[in-house]
Amino acid sequence: AQTVTQSQPEMSVQEAETVTLSCTYDTSESDYYLFWYKQPPSRQMILVIRQEAYKQQNATENRFSVNFQKAAKSFSLKISDSQLGDAAMYFCAYRSAKGNAGNMLTFGGGTRLMVKP
Amino acid sequence: GAGVSQSPSNKVTEKGKDVELRCDPISGHTALYWYRQSLGQGLEFLIYFQGNSAPDKSGLPSDRFSAERTGGSVSTLTIQRTQQEDSAVYLCASSALVTSYPYEQYFGPGTRLTVT
Repeated sequence: AQTVTQSQPEMSVQEAETVTLSCTYDTSESDYYLFWYKQPPSRQMILVIRQEAYKQQNATENRFSVNFQKAAKSFSLKISDSQLGDAAMYFCAYRSAKGNAGNMLTFGGGTRLMVKP
Repeated sequence: GAGVSQSPSNKVTEKGKDVELRCDPISGHTALYWYRQSLGQGLEFLIYFQGNSAPDKSGLPSDRFSAERTGGSVSTLTIQRTQQEDSAVYLCASSALVTSYPYEQYFGPGTRLTVT
């Protein structure tokens, strides 16, 4: 079974600064997908960024980028130019690429990000 | 178009009562998932529906939990004889064909269940 670990329960960043959230995972599979989801107080889970394991290039979405280290099974999220609206819970998630192998997401425990004005 | 919707938004029930939680997925999405988010257990997978295939029930915590999906669209999660440990936020998600880009699951706003 796959596991996802987020070792930072809480992080704090000054507005306009950069912060990195850590995520490690354990899997025996070679093909999979990784995601970062944001959950604001409204409870709505919002996809921030995705990474296909077969791609070596790190994914980037505007101010959000990842550092994907497949051999180390590490998938960190970097938020640049942090904004007050970035304050939320962030979840790292894993999904197998096998078409019939339980396509559910396996989530880490989450990191609460606080943004100071 | 409309996103995933869930009802009710909040539900308070007495221990031992049955509850039904509803999920309306995004139109055309063939896959539907239920997850539970609780303080002690984090985010856990409960059940997964894909088209007309038999659902993957491997995440259901006990036989008090069941779910159905009618007509490949709306899903209902039923919890019988609720217990206090069932208190959690129940999240529903849907996705298009799971082997096709962009692979992501779209989540509803969840139902917060409180068992007193």
